[in-house]
Amino acid sequence: KQEVTQIPAALSVPEGENLVLNCSFTDSAIYNLQWFRQDPGKGLTSLLLIQSSQREQTSGRLNASLDKSSGRSTLYIAASQPGDSATYLCAVRPTTSGTYKYIFGTGTRLKVLA
Amino acid sequence: DGGITQSPKYLFRKEGQNVTLSCEQNLNHDAMYWYRQDPGQGLRLIYYSQIVNDFQKGDIAEGYSVSREKKESFPLTVTSAQKNPTAFYLCATRTVSSSYNEQFFGPGTRLTVL
Repeated sequence: KQEVTQIPAALSVPEGENLVLNCSFTDSAIYNLQWFRQDPGKGLTSLLLIQSSQREQTSGRLNASLDKSSGRSTLYIAASQPGDSATYLCAVRPTTSGTYKYIFGTGTRLKVLA
Repeated sequence: DGGITQSPKYLFRKEGQNVTLSCEQNLNHDAMYWYRQDPGQGLRLIYYSQIVNDFQKGDIAEGYSVSREKKESFPLTVTSAQKNPTAFYLCATRTVSSSYNEQFFGPGTRLTVL
């Protein structure tokens, strides 16, 4: 059964720091992996989607990498800002489920201090 | 203004009542999902639908029901059989036809049982 883990659960960093958020999954049979941002009391905003055949995707100050063989993805945030404070979630779509189901991690709550 | 709308934003339910949460989309996406989010837990799938007039149970479907009569709409009914319905409910969509399949989320409905 596919499981997705995000460690740490919470992280505080000073403004301007480069940081890495981690996402681990137990089964490498995935179609893709998606990173989301969630602000308190809001829905999820899609940040980056990495297909299983890709190694990384970039959008502005964000870079996501994928290593299927080791079951890991990282989200790199450059020059962090207080506006980056939010919960970041990753989700994988397994190939073995035979459906369009996604498995989510529990998220990393990021606080960027001014 | 394109996207996914959920209503109401806040909903209060008395014991024994059924309530219906609305989810509407104008993205022309085929697949729609309902998730439940509880503090400290990842998103859990309640129901999903890949096409009109078809839907499948997710991991926690007991006490919930859905319908998919139109492509744009996927309402969720929380019945009195759901023993612990207080949670944040999120609706999502995904296009089925494209190989680049990304999930998009609505703003959510917070349900509280009084």
